[in-house]
Amino acid sequence: EAAVTQSPRNKVAVTGGKVTLSCNQTNNHNNMYWYRQDTGHGLRLIHYSYGAGSTEKGDIPDGYKASRPSQENFSLILELATPSQTSVYFCASGGLGGRTGQLYFGEGSKLTVL
Amino acid sequence: AQKVTQTQTSISVVEKTTVTMDCVYETRDSSYFLFWYKQTASGEIVFLIRQDSYKKENATVGHYSLNFQKPKSSIGLIITATQIEDSAVYFCAMREGVSGSWQLIFGSGTQLTVMP
Repeated sequence: EAAVTQSPRNKVAVTGGKVTLSCNQTNNHNNMYWYRQDTGHGLRLIHYSYGAGSTEKGDIPDGYKASRPSQENFSLILELATPSQTSVYFCASGGLGGRTGQLYFGEGSKLTVL
Repeated sequence: AQKVTQTQTSISVVEKTTVTMDCVYETRDSSYFLFWYKQTASGEIVFLIRQDSYKKENATVGHYSLNFQKPKSSIGLIITATQIEDSAVYFCAMREGVSGSWQLIFGSGTQLTVMP
């Protein structure tokens, strides 16, 4: 069974603080993604990666960094968190070949920045 | 850039009826891939169904089917014989990029409520 796990599941941070959201996948997928979900906006792509050591900017990368140290792990980093970054964040992995485009999502991480 | 638009914010239907959710897309690619995903009340997001643009037949999986109208850049999701557990948010998505370097662009979602 494909599995993507995120941590923490819930996080309360203070404005200006550093936040790291972690994601681990056991699907052996090359591709990993970070999305944020806000009411009225659906899922918006923040950063993504095509393999260990690579990261790419998505549609809304400002204020976020990403790190892909290994095939299994992909982190989203907020160096200076702001209240506008309060949201639910989803990590996903995706493979190649016949299942290209099929994403496996984590459970989501709810971030509140006070 | 590619764009995916879902104009229906929410839909309510009575159980066992058929519902159609709309989605239109913009792309300059001659070949492309379209998807529908479902997000349950618990927050879980799962893949439902896929349509490849070069295929003339509409995709069908279980009681989900697609109404692919290429000239209109439209990919509607049809759920027949709806059940209470179909209540969820449904997202339309399009694949952007080529080969292994791809990402999905999502619409804003449609909240479906199935009533007894």
